[in-house]
Amino acid sequence: QVQLQESGPGLMKPSETLSLTCTVSGDSVSSGSYYWTWIRQTPGKGLEWIGYIQNIGSTGYNPSLKSRVTISVDTSKNQFSLRLKSVTAADTAVYYCARDLIYRSGWLEHWGRGMLVTVSS
Amino acid sequence: QSVLTQPPSASGTPGQVVTISCFGSTSNIGSNYVYWYQQLPGTAPKLLIYRNNRRPSGVPDRFSASKSGTSASLAIRGLRSEDEADYFCAAWDDNLSGLLFGGGTKVAVL
Repeated sequence: QVQLQESGPGLMKPSETLSLTCTVSGDSVSSGSYYWTWIRQTPGKGLEWIGYIQNIGSTGYNPSLKSRVTISVDTSKNQFSLRLKSVTAADTAVYYCARDLIYRSGWLEHWGRGMLVTVSS
Repeated sequence: QSVLTQPPSASGTPGQVVTISCFGSTSNIGSNYVYWYQQLPGTAPKLLIYRNNRRPSGVPDRFSASKSGTSASLAIRGLRSEDEADYFCAAWDDNLSGLLFGGGTKVAVL
């Protein structure tokens, strides 16, 4: 059974760089053609797609976040990661990692439990 | 502001039918599949419907969905108390080159 688990700091200060990791079990981030995805959820904006990485390293990002986001994969640890630069209070959200089954779809079969990240001075 | 528009709330009594709409445009719902997610309180979203109208294994057939043009809808038949949740539609947007979500509809069972 595929399971995903987010990890990282729960509290950030403005202007810092957020780094979150998603550890995958029951599947390999280097197999298949899945799209390993980050999504966040805020009370005000609902669910927001951040971007994805495929096992071969190709990425896609939300244009509104593209200048600040990097998604990478570490096949040796079976993990993929999110880096978000220059965070502000507006980046306070629950961050989810998920597996998208097909390119350009939204077929998110498996999700992590989510991790609350708060940005506050 | 979500580009996929859903009503913020819907409600019904046990056994009733509740329908949730999702309005988009030609660049998203009009040209790509629609997905629906159920989010129970305090949990991650769960895939409820994929490719417009297909249910993953384990999803009761009380849940059904359809798509027509640039809009989609989700119906919950035989409403149960455990159906109280937020429901989100999602579709890829070709202009954005990214995934869009609806703002979510909170379903209450009265």
